[in-house]
Amino acid sequence: KAGVTQTPRYLIKTRGQQVTLSCSPISGHRSVSWYQQTPGQGLQFLFEYFSETQRNKGNFPGRFSGRQFSNSRSEMNVSTLELGDSALYLCASSLGSGSYEQYFGPGTRLTVT
Amino acid sequence: AQKVTQAQTEISVVEKEDVTLDCVYETRDTTYYLFWYKQPPSGELVFLIRRNSFDEQNEISGRYSWNFQKSTSSFNFTITASQVVDSAVYFCALRPMNRDDKIIFGKGTRLHILP
Repeated sequence: KAGVTQTPRYLIKTRGQQVTLSCSPISGHRSVSWYQQTPGQGLQFLFEYFSETQRNKGNFPGRFSGRQFSNSRSEMNVSTLELGDSALYLCASSLGSGSYEQYFGPGTRLTVT
Repeated sequence: AQKVTQAQTEISVVEKEDVTLDCVYETRDTTYYLFWYKQPPSGELVFLIRRNSFDEQNEISGRYSWNFQKSTSSFNFTITASQVVDSAVYFCALRPMNRDDKIIFGKGTRLHILP
């Protein structure tokens, strides 16, 4: 069974630009969560989608948004990039929401210059 | 408020030694899940264990064991006879069981196993 895939793996953007990251969950998984990982703040939850609906949202500004498609693939978008958005963005999929263990992708390393 | 504290930022031990990673949590919920994840240098988090708050049985899986004590709000992780491949960052996490709320991760403990 293929794991969680994230594209692109690496990205360099300039301040003020916007970026879209993509995540394909494990086949059969309906829940996708996004996390931001930085050395200072650690792993921070961004949002969770289940069956195309946002179930939970972390404490991030409105510049961070996401969506999930009918095939469970998910995208997250960051608009008006700031230097502080430089991070590893991790996507995790699970069978359902809540108790299920999450399977993580390799992440997208975003650098904002 | 919900919080997960991993007080050990970084630990170094010599191969074959046993090592325990501490995790202390705070929650107002009476039922919840606790998790441990491993993040090797490759970056991909790997699920290790999930524990329900009403199941305080300790668990052993090979060289790994977990000690859950609700009375002290701790969920510690022990690696016996450590190996170099155990070098990674380990995260403890908490999620409420009966309400929709996000998972909270601790800051992680970076474990170095020295040959």
